[in-house]
Amino acid sequence: ELKVEQNPLFLSMQEGKNYTIYCNYSTTSDRLYWYRQDPGKSLESLFVLLSNGAVKQEGRLMASLDTKARLSTLHITAAVHDLSATYFCAPLLIQGAQKLVFGQGTRLTINP
Amino acid sequence: GAGVSQSPRYKVTKRGQDVTLRCDPISSHATLYWYQQALGQGPEFLTYFNYEAQPDKSGLPSDRFSAERPEGSISTLTIQRTEQRDSAMYRCASSPVGARETQYFGPGTRLLVL
Repeated sequence: ELKVEQNPLFLSMQEGKNYTIYCNYSTTSDRLYWYRQDPGKSLESLFVLLSNGAVKQEGRLMASLDTKARLSTLHITAAVHDLSATYFCAPLLIQGAQKLVFGQGTRLTINP
Repeated sequence: GAGVSQSPRYKVTKRGQDVTLRCDPISSHATLYWYQQALGQGPEFLTYFNYEAQPDKSGLPSDRFSAERPEGSISTLTIQRTEQRDSAMYRCASSPVGARETQYFGPGTRLLVL
C-alpha cells in the first residue's frame, strides 16, 4: 500500500518569503503530480514529475522529485497572496493497479 | 466537452435513500475516475473505467456503491441505502488514456446525507 505524507499540513507565511512543502511516499513510484485546490473549487494540475531528479518551474513555484528518497518538494519563492490554496501531491502507485494516491494536502495561507 | 462536468453540484438526501451522481468527462478521454474527498483531506480513489471496462473497483467502500459507464462516455456513481458517513464531495476526473497521463478533475458533487 502506498502511503503519502505531506508536511506541513498548514502553512501561514508572509508575502515575499520563501518556503518548501515536502511530500514523502512509502513505495516505489515513477511519477508524481502536484495539484492546487482553491477553496470550494476543483483540483487543478500544476506539475507532473516523470523521473528521478526532475525539476519543473512555473512562476514562483518549483517542484522536484527524488525517486530514490521517495521525496518530492514544492518550493515557493517570494510568495504572493494569489498562491494561497491547498496543494496536494499524488504519486502514481505502479505496483498492481495503477492509480494516484493523494496526500492530505498542505493548506497555504499567504498574508500581506 | 471543454472540461469535466458533474451533476448535481449539491445533493441532500435522507438516510436510506439511493442517490445517483453523474460525470461527463472530456470528450476525447478514454479513462474516467471516481474519487471521494472528505473535508480537509485529499481525494481517495474509488474506481475507474477505461472506456466501458471497469478494471479496478477496489476503492469502493461497500457493495452499496456501484458505478457504470455503459457507452464509454458518461458515467454514473450510485450509492444505495445512503448512510450519514457517505456525506462527502464526490469528484470525477478523466485522462486521455490510462493512469500515466494527467487527470483533469470536475467540480464535484457535494453529498449530504441527513
